[in-house]
Amino acid sequence: AQSVTQPDARVTVSEGASLQLRCKYSSSVTPYLFWYVQYPRQGLQLLLKYYSGDPVVQGVNGFEAEFSKSNSSFHLRKASVHWSDSAVYFCAVSFSIASSSFSKLVFGQGTSLSVVP
Amino acid sequence: EAAVTQSPRNKVAVTGGKVTLSCNQTNNHNNMYWYRQDTGHGLRLIHYSYGAGSTEKGDIPDGYKASRPSQENFSLILELATPSQTSVYFCASGSWGGDTQYFGPGTRLLVL
Repeated sequence: AQSVTQPDARVTVSEGASLQLRCKYSSSVTPYLFWYVQYPRQGLQLLLKYYSGDPVVQGVNGFEAEFSKSNSSFHLRKASVHWSDSAVYFCAVSFSIASSSFSKLVFGQGTSLSVVP
Repeated sequence: EAAVTQSPRNKVAVTGGKVTLSCNQTNNHNNMYWYRQDTGHGLRLIHYSYGAGSTEKGDIPDGYKASRPSQENFSLILELATPSQTSVYFCASGSWGGDTQYFGPGTRLLVL
């Protein structure tokens, strides 16, 4: 079955520290991969996406993610976090819908990031 | 800049009542989606649409209907609302199925 797992429901890091948020997916083919961020009482905003090519993709606000085919993972990283990075982060994977040319996004459960002084 | 708007932003409904959530996009995207967001579940797909006049069932369609009368508008309809449908609902649009989706600000629905 197609699935996306974010194993950490909550992560707390100190301001200025590095960050890694984990995402693993289950798929027989390499899908399209996304990270979205949700600030309080707002919709989701795209941070970055991976379609093919260089496994390290750069996103907005200093975020990057690395795709690993062997590990079926797409982990999000940032070298130095700021208090304004506190938000919920969702990993999403695009899967094809059987018997159609349509694809849909399947989201992980989200990781709530708190950046403390 | 992509623009997806939702109305209402907040809604209180009674059990058994009819609720309509509206979504409008100015991106000229063919595809539109309705999700609900609940703690511990992330976003789950309720209905989606390829274009005007089409609606398709997503992963959790029971208790919901959808309507796509035009390229710009996509509605989610709860004919007989139940407390289990209390949630935050998000609409999104995208140019093709695997591409980036652009999300609206969400509608908080409370069914009493």
